Order: sequence, then C-alpha cells, then structure tokens
Amino acid sequence: DSGVTQTPKHLITATGQRVTLRCSPRSGDLSVYWYQQSLDQGLQFLIQYYNGEERAKGNILERFSAQQFPDLHSELNLSSLELGDSALYFCASSGEGQGKRGYGYTFGSGTRLTVV
Amino acid sequence: GENVEQHPSTLSVQEGDSAVIKCTYSDSASNYFPWYKQELGKRPQLIIDIRSNVGEKKDQRIAVTLNKTAKHFSLHITETQPEDSAVYFCAALRANTGRRALTFGSGTRLQVQP
Repeated sequence: DSGVTQTPKHLITATGQRVTLRCSPRSGDLSVYWYQQSLDQGLQFLIQYYNGEERAKGNILERFSAQQFPDLHSELNLSSLELGDSALYFCASSGEGQGKRGYGYTFGSGTRLTVV
Repeated sequence: GENVEQHPSTLSVQEGDSAVIKCTYSDSASNYFPWYKQELGKRPQLIIDIRSNVGEKKDQRIAVTLNKTAKHFSLHITETQPEDSAVYFCAALRANTGRRALTFGSGTRLQVQP
C-alpha cells in the first residue's frame, strides 16, 4: 500500500457519459497530481493541485476537470467520454520537499477506465 | 516547458548482465531527476532519484549518473535479475517552484532473459 488511495479500480462506461475518479493523497502530502497513461504509452500530466488550489495544468482536455477538497482528497471529472479516453488514470501525491519527504511522487494504484 | 527523451524504448539483456537506460532533458533549470519502475498493470514506483548538486548516486544494484552540462542522466542496473523486468521511466522537474509537475520520458521496456 503506497498510502495514496484511488477509487474505483475499474470503470466501464459508455461514450458520452460522465465519470468521477477519486484520490486520497498520502498523509501529510498537500500536492495531488493526475496523470493519464494510455495503452503502452507514457505518463501524460493532466493537472496539479496544492492545498486546494490549482497549481499547474498539462494536456488536460476541456471536457476534463478536477478539484481538491479541504480534506485534500481530489476528484477528476471526465465528461462527454470518447473511446480514446480509455486509459489508466493515476493520481500521485508529493511532499514537495517539505521536511524529509523529498520531491518524489507516490502513485496510487490507478483507475482503469474503459469507454465502450 | 520541459521535454525528456528516453532511449532505448526496449532493452533485452541476459540475466546477470548490466542494463543502461539514458535520458536527456531540455530545461537547464531542472534540478530533480527520479527514476520509476512500473510492472505490468501496476503503479509506477520510485526506485532512485538524484538532485542536480550530485553527479552520481548508488543504491545496491542500481545507480544513476547525471551530466548537467550535457543535460543527460542515466540509470545503470548491474547483475540484472528476471524480477528487474518492467518498464522504466525517467523524469525531470524544476523543484522548489511548486508550480511544475514531473515530465516523464516515454519509457524503456526492460526484459531480463533467464
């Protein structure tokens, strides 16, 4: 267990639908990052939140949005889903170098989204 | 923004041999370089990292070297074992800004043949 919790583990939905992926960061980490990994592809950065505030945006589609709540958990909302959105979606948290936490990311186990 | 290139995309070695994976980065201000191992269907896991004020770091059979002038860094795995088979990702970050995210290379699929 990495300490980063993602739910659900698997999600199958139809095109045009909307889904919400949830992430709870490692205890004490304020930063949450969302990455998308398509089949046999690399890790594409979507968006970063730090203590409830959006900090950085990557290649995130307008159909996708995210937020981080006061308890630091984060949700990634994917709407008007297309077949090409099928992928593994990872959440990661970081201590941002505070104390002994370093800058490394701890990844959750991911949510495998299949759009049919 | 940062761009990280990783080579080779696939690497096959015999058990006991060494494996080397190389990455180059574009942003000279990047100062944190981690390596992640991802087994099939699992999450990426940090295996080693290096800061820009260090040229080399070792942890048992793995080591990372950094050449800031040339903007490249490498992962070295010695005495490879079948359980080293996985996809390895390098990454780069301009740490301390709080407004950047790790940029990952495209990954290297390492296959260790018994």
